Amino acid sequence: DTGVSQDPRHKITKRGQNVTFRCDPISEHNRLYWYRQTLGQGPEFLTYFQNEAQLEKSRLLSDRFSAERPKGSFSTLEIQRTEQGDSAMYLCASKPGQEFYGYTFGSGTRLTVV
Amino acid sequence: LAKTTQPISMDSYEGQEVNITCSHNNIATNDYITWYQQFPSQGPRFIIQGYKTKVTNEVASLFIPADRKSSTLSLPRVSLSDTAVYYCLVGDGVNYGQNFVFGPGTRLSVLP
Repeated sequence: DTGVSQDPRHKITKRGQNVTFRCDPISEHNRLYWYRQTLGQGPEFLTYFQNEAQLEKSRLLSDRFSAERPKGSFSTLEIQRTEQGDSAMYLCASKPGQEFYGYTFGSGTRLTVV
Repeated sequence: LAKTTQPISMDSYEGQEVNITCSHNNIATNDYITWYQQFPSQGPRFIIQGYKTKVTNEVASLFIPADRKSSTLSLPRVSLSDTAVYYCLVGDGVNYGQNFVFGPGTRLSVLP
């Protein structure tokens, strides 16, 4: 296992279209996190899963955003009716459950909404 | 929610030691201090983590005074490849998520 994988690396979409990103975490990590990062800012928490259960969502997260982790392995993040303000880097991270380890992040998916 | 404060940017020259200080006045008893490094177009990478006193690994050292209200990341003999953004975070290590907040970080520029 070589780390957290995200696909695609880059996505350009027209405003109003739906997009879906995929994250494959490190296999033995049962916690998976999605973050969003805009230029010059630190990553902003979106949501996280423990196994297949979505345990927390950001209070600021629009209902156009939805995430799933159906079998407790890979996860998808979907954005419906994209807006220009959704343009950002979307980062996925994983970590073991209860032990105190840092996140392992993927390289992210850069979304550009035109 | 323990908030952290770091300098927005720092400059250094190759071969120098760089110290980046982070303030976390409201750190809780169960909170650890964690530092990440981020290069452009990549996700953050874990550097070091500690609870008190001093922690050292092959990359950096972390100094935490007794009151734990601040911490200092020390990078020995930096090179051009250490140019990156460095984030300081505090959290209890279990309840990540909304309570584990990335600020804007410290942008370190290493000059030749």
